[in-house]
Amino acid sequence: AQTVTQSQPEMSVQEAETVTLSCTYDTSESDYYLFWYKQPPSRQMILVIRQEAYKQQNATENRFSVNFQKAAKSFSLKISDSQLGDAAMYFCAYRDQGAQKLVFGQGTRLTINP
Amino acid sequence: NAGVMQNPRHLVRRRGQEARLRCSPMKGHSHVYWYRQLPEEGLKFMVYLQKENIIDESGMPKERFSAEFPKEGPSILRIQQVVRGDSAAYFCASSPRLIAGGSTGELFFGEGSRLTVL
Repeated sequence: AQTVTQSQPEMSVQEAETVTLSCTYDTSESDYYLFWYKQPPSRQMILVIRQEAYKQQNATENRFSVNFQKAAKSFSLKISDSQLGDAAMYFCAYRDQGAQKLVFGQGTRLTINP
Repeated sequence: NAGVMQNPRHLVRRRGQEARLRCSPMKGHSHVYWYRQLPEEGLKFMVYLQKENIIDESGMPKERFSAEFPKEGPSILRIQQVVRGDSAAYFCASSPRLIAGGSTGELFFGEGSRLTVL
């Protein structure tokens, strides 16, 4: 079964600085999707960024970018110019291309220090 | 275009009572997923449904839990004879169609229903 591991339970960063959240996963599949979701105190799950495994180019969404290392099965999230509103739980998630369900990591709680 | 709607947002039940959680998917979405989030943990898959069909219930506890997605109306997650360990946030998500090549693979989540069992 696929598993997703986030080894950093908590991270903190100074406002305006850059932080990287780690995620590794285990799969025998070659085609899949990877996601980072943000869960603020409101508890709503908000999609931050997605990556298709067949794409070599790392996905970027404004201040958010990923470092996707397929051979290493690593999918880290970089947040540049951190803002107070970025404070939240961040979950890495995996999905087989042919499957319907997401597999989530344990989450990383990100704190932004003003 | 309204997002995934879940209600109630908060539900308090005493041990032994029944809990019913409702989920209306986004307009045009015919696939619904239920996830459970225990405090300080990630989301765990429970069940995946299409209209009138349970497709994958591999994450559902064998007893007391059931789910349905009728032809008309919202999807319902039902927990009978609740126990304190059922206290959690229950999230519903939807997607527009069977995930296949060319789709984004994304699930759209509701705001969750928080169940507290006294």
